[in-house]
Amino acid sequence: GAGVSQSPSNKVTEKGKDVELRCDPISGHTALYWYRQSLGQGLEFLIYFQGNSAPDKSGLPSDRFSAERTGGSVSTLTIQRTQQEDSAVYLCASSQGGHYGYTFGSGTRLTVV
Amino acid sequence: AQTVTQSQPEMSVQEAETVTLSCTYDTSESDYYLFWYKQPPSRQMILVIRQEAYKQQNATENRFSVNFQKAAKSFSLKISDSQLGDAAMYFCASQRFGNEKLTFGTGTRLTIIP
Repeated sequence: GAGVSQSPSNKVTEKGKDVELRCDPISGHTALYWYRQSLGQGLEFLIYFQGNSAPDKSGLPSDRFSAERTGGSVSTLTIQRTQQEDSAVYLCASSQGGHYGYTFGSGTRLTVV
Repeated sequence: AQTVTQSQPEMSVQEAETVTLSCTYDTSESDYYLFWYKQPPSRQMILVIRQEAYKQQNATENRFSVNFQKAAKSFSLKISDSQLGDAAMYFCASQRFGNEKLTFGTGTRLTIIP
């Protein structure tokens, strides 16, 4: 596609429920990233996929968080048993790799009530 | 580990004037990259400008330029002829050579006064 697409744009969920956030990167981009942006904070790295390599999961805050990337394209970030502190904007980005900067999506605003 | 500090949570500037946003970073690496991203209310982060640390020349992109002081580990963004569309959160970020993760500062909210 022309840009990075994320869905849903907004998600309200009850504490304890599982949620799935989707990211569709730019076609041909080999690298895909997930970041979390909490209110008034900068962006916190979560996970990074590069081609067929094992993902860098070093930023995932707990084992309730997981992500997969199917066919080297679409990625899904799953949060199990959501907590109120999970409320944030989840941003996805893709790149051709290297150091040329990312292209971001518009994010998913997750609210846990 | 790299850290990025933006000490100005909020800035404002009159339309058509010039404003400078500050950023300092800490790294033990000799090769790295620095970025400024803009985040308007649409939430989509947009790359404004990029600087390679091994280049002494300051990067420029139209009305946007940087003042890169490697020894001082400072990377400020200058916006000339400010326009209403420049109103946004601005994030400074660093990236180690050979590592694709970006480390972000906490951002500066820029308001443009008509």
